[in-house]
Order: sequence, then structure tokens, then C-alpha cells
Amino acid sequence: GAGVSQTPSNKVTEKGKYVELRCDPISGHTALYWYRQSLGQGPEFLIYFQGTGAADDSGLPNDRFFAVRPEGSVSTLKIQRTERGDSAVYLCASSPAGYNEQFFGPGTRLTVL
Amino acid sequence: KQEVTQIPAALSVPEGENLVLNCSFTDSAIYNLQWFRQDPGKGLTSLLLIQSSQREQTSGRLNASLDKSSGRSTLYIAASQPGDSATYLCAVPAQGGSEKLVFGKGTKLTVNP
Repeated sequence: GAGVSQTPSNKVTEKGKYVELRCDPISGHTALYWYRQSLGQGPEFLIYFQGTGAADDSGLPNDRFFAVRPEGSVSTLKIQRTERGDSAVYLCASSPAGYNEQFFGPGTRLTVL
Repeated sequence: KQEVTQIPAALSVPEGENLVLNCSFTDSAIYNLQWFRQDPGKGLTSLLLIQSSQREQTSGRLNASLDKSSGRSTLYIAASQPGDSATYLCAVPAQGGSEKLVFGKGTKLTVNP
């Protein structure tokens, strides 16, 4: 079956702009996670959804970052007033339920000029 | 705070060699540990998930072990092939009941033909 998909695969934007990154989880997976990976580092947790609600958003770096999952499937990560330090690969993962194996998508590479 | 360390940071071996990658974590109150593979510019592929009640898990030429009490896991790769060249990451939950994963920086493996 289809895995986790993310769009766009690459996004180049200018400092100060607003961006949206989309994640389509594996069908039927109730848990969805966002991570961010900088070059040479492991992924760092941003936010976790169980169904439509954000169960843990402790990894969001500041209030410029926001994520939604209105129907419990697709999720959008929104970044306002982008900064050069936001440049990274944003990874999405899903899981059939909590406390299970996480399956990752290919990521969105965000570059802020 | 959960911290994950992977040793070595990089490893280069000739084809056919058996090898071991190491992962250590500071908080042993975990419910599982996951090993991933990441190819350059790609997302993460889940290799093995070990539940806290298990001591090891096998998939093909891969064998992962878990020693919770000492905070260690190893990934054993038998008869390595050039196609095994990638970065290998291990991840554990941030704390006892947490859904968020904490990753190591990974071990970059190169298998030379």
C-alpha cells in the first residue's frame, strides 16, 4: 500500500514569507508526527497528533510554527515569518496507534533565503 | 532528559564483512527502540522495532538487540553489501509514556565493493 507522502518535496522561500507543508499519512493511521532534521543531525520532534488533536506540541520551537489535522488524516505544518534558521528537512511520520512503529515520509526540504 | 548516542559516527568496511553499530540511551524507561536507515536526501526507512519486553529482533541479515538495564542496543549486519551503504539511526521514546522519539546522530556506513 501507499506510504506516507509529503508535498512539496522541495520548497524555497524568502525570509519573512509564510509556508505550508503537507503530510498524507498511511491510510488508517491515527497517530501523526512532525520532525525536523538539520544537516548531520538526527530528526528532532516537533508535534504529535492523535486523531484531530495535538497530543504533544512541546517540540514546536516558537509561535511561528503551527500544525493542524482537521479531519484526522492529512496534516499541514504552517510556518509564519520564516527565518533562515528554519531551513531544514521537515519529516512526517504516522503510526497505526500510539506506542507503535513510526513510518516516515520522504520529507520536505525547506530552504529560506 | 533522554539522550541517544551512536558510535561510531562513520564506518567503512569491505563488502562481505559482518559489522556492529552501537546505540546508547540515558533513560532506560522505554517501551520500544527503533532502528532506521536513511539514504542521502531521503526519508527514514524503518528497519526493526524492538519492544521493551524483547531482547532481540531479526529481519534478514539484520539483527538488533536491546539491553534496557544498561541503556544499550546494537544493530548487527551480516555479510554486508554495497547496497547497505547509508546512515543508520536509532530512536527511543523521550520518556516513559512519551510518543515523541529522540534520535541519535546516526552512523554513516560505507560498504566498499
